[in-house]
Amino acid sequence: DAGVIQSPRHEVTEMGQEVTLRCKPISGHDYLFWYRQTMMRGLELLIYFNNNVPIDDSGMPEDRFSAKMPNASFSTLKIQPSEPRDSAVYFCASSQGLAWETQYFGPGTRLLVL
Amino acid sequence: KQEVTQIPAALSVPEGENLVLNCSFTDSAIYNLQWFRQDPGKGLTSLLLIQSSQREQTSGRLNASLDKSSGRSTLYIAASQPGDSATYLCAVSPYNTDKLIFGTGTRLQVFP
Repeated sequence: DAGVIQSPRHEVTEMGQEVTLRCKPISGHDYLFWYRQTMMRGLELLIYFNNNVPIDDSGMPEDRFSAKMPNASFSTLKIQPSEPRDSAVYFCASSQGLAWETQYFGPGTRLLVL
Repeated sequence: KQEVTQIPAALSVPEGENLVLNCSFTDSAIYNLQWFRQDPGKGLTSLLLIQSSQREQTSGRLNASLDKSSGRSTLYIAASQPGDSATYLCAVSPYNTDKLIFGTGTRLQVFP
């Protein structure tokens, strides 16, 4: 398996623009997680899905952030409108079975909002 | 609220040294504790997972211990190499949640 795939790897956009981050989890994994990593706050869980259903979105910072998982092999994280404080590295991870088992991380998307 | 702390925040050692990274957590009600490695510009790679009923796990030159009652874990790296240079993060899985709570990491540099 190719592992967790994220696209794009880098994104530079201007404040107010819509940003869509994409993730393809490892085939057969039931859980999918979206994280954000910054120097100030470290690694934070934004939202996670189990069998394509959002389970906990309490980490989503505000209504400008939304996430979907239309099928078992694809998820998106959307920011609309984007703001400079959204600049961070966004990781997607997936795991098989129980969520607290080993999570496999993608390479991340480095987002810069000007 | 579960909080995870890692000390030191950064560490620089010469090649060949044995070293210890520390992780502490405030709530002992956890399923397991994991150690991850993150290389610059890359995602996280799981190194070791210790279930709450276990005391330690070993993989090659790495040994992780868990003292759940005191809220502490250590990652021991034997005979460090420049290739070990990375950021090491620990994470706990609290009861009644599917989440991982991460520490802030220890940035390790091993110089030749």
